[in-house]
Amino acid sequence: AQKITQTQPGMFVQEKEAVTLDCTYDTSDQSYGLFWYKQPSSGEMIFLIYQGSYDEQNATEGRYSLNFQKARKSANLVISASQLGDSAMYFCAMRELYSSASKIIFGSGTRLSIRP
Amino acid sequence: DSGVTQTPKHLITATGQRVTLRCSPRSGDLSVYWYQQSLDQGLQFLIQYYNGEERAKGNILERFSAQQFPDLHSELNLSSLELGDSALYFCASSVKTSGTDTQYFGPGTRLTVL
Repeated sequence: AQKITQTQPGMFVQEKEAVTLDCTYDTSDQSYGLFWYKQPSSGEMIFLIYQGSYDEQNATEGRYSLNFQKARKSANLVISASQLGDSAMYFCAMRELYSSASKIIFGSGTRLSIRP
Repeated sequence: DSGVTQTPKHLITATGQRVTLRCSPRSGDLSVYWYQQSLDQGLQFLIQYYNGEERAKGNILERFSAQQFPDLHSELNLSSLELGDSALYFCASSVKTSGTDTQYFGPGTRLTVL
């Protein structure tokens, strides 16, 4: 069965520092996609970044990058130069790629707090 | 703003009642997904529709049902409500059904069952 594990329930980081949020996954599928979402205190879920299992390069989107290590089954989110507005819950998620009926599985989330 | 709209934003009701949550996907998106986020269960996938047809089912209770209409909006019906159904219900949409499609989430409907 597919599983996403986020081992850091909460993190505190100083503003302007880089931060890495851990995500490990377990799947028997060969083709899968990994996603990160941000959930601020207002509640909405905001898509941040996507990495496909066959992508050779790590995905980047502005200050977000995904450190994808396929052999270790990890997909850590790296936020560079953190800002106060980055304070939120962050969810790692996974989905099988080529099934039209595939579900998306979410981790339990990491609450990131940025200190001024 | 993701382009996905959900109504109502908040809903307070009593046990045993029935409610309907509404979702309008982003323009051009054919797939709609429903999720439940509660403190004890985290974010759980409920059900997916593609162009009016059910495509995937997750941990959806028999008391819950959903449908997607010809104009592609979707409704999630929750009946015989229990205290444990109190949660944030999200709708998300994507262009198709492929796993590569990014799902864009609506703002959610916060349901409180008293």
